[in-house]
Amino acid sequence: QVQLVQSGAEVREPGASVKVSCKASGFSFTSFFMHWVRQAPGQGLEWMGRIGPSGEDTAYAQKLLDRVTITRDISTSTVYMELGSLRSEDTAVYYCGREWADSSIRSFDDWGQGTLVTVSS
Amino acid sequence: QTVVTQEPSLTVSPGGTVTLTCASSTGTVTSGYSPNWFQQKPGQAPRALIYSTNHKHSWTPARFSGSLLGGKAALTLSSVQPEDEAEYYCLLYCGAVQHWVFGGGTKLTVL
Repeated sequence: QVQLVQSGAEVREPGASVKVSCKASGFSFTSFFMHWVRQAPGQGLEWMGRIGPSGEDTAYAQKLLDRVTITRDISTSTVYMELGSLRSEDTAVYYCGREWADSSIRSFDDWGQGTLVTVSS
Repeated sequence: QTVVTQEPSLTVSPGGTVTLTCASSTGTVTSGYSPNWFQQKPGQAPRALIYSTNHKHSWTPARFSGSLLGGKAALTLSSVQPEDEAEYYCLLYCGAVQHWVFGGGTKLTVL
């Protein structure tokens, strides 16, 4: 079955960076867009960005454009999200998710279990 | 930057029907925005319900349906069950910049 398994919780100091991984299994990894979203404590979901099936095409939310990088390793079916220059407001649960897209359909379905990133001095 | 607006909260009685809406600051929501809807319960990851306006996943209960209504995307729950109490989020695709934007979420109370 489809599984997206994320790396464990992280604690970072302000100004540092963090890299979260999401290992995929049970499906054709190179057929799907992979996305990252986050959720600060008590807040709503925020779309961060996505990477295309081949890994050559990325898109990021405007507010994070200069701090976030999403990459994928096809050999290990893993997608990564790196966020730099961390600040306290980046404290959140980070989720990876997959999207199937064709000419008429854009479908999100499965999500990882979430990774808590805490930014604190 | 596109802003997506949902009702902050709604209350429905068990067995009733409720419609949640999702509006875009850019204007009328069309099928081109590929509205996706998610349910989230406390401490859990989002659960996909609807994609591309009105398509259901294999696990989506029949009482959930998606549509376009009055220039917005809409999620209608019929014969509401107590377990439907949750936060619901819509997600819209802004194709011009290849971005997606979440609505702020609707907290649905079943009372």
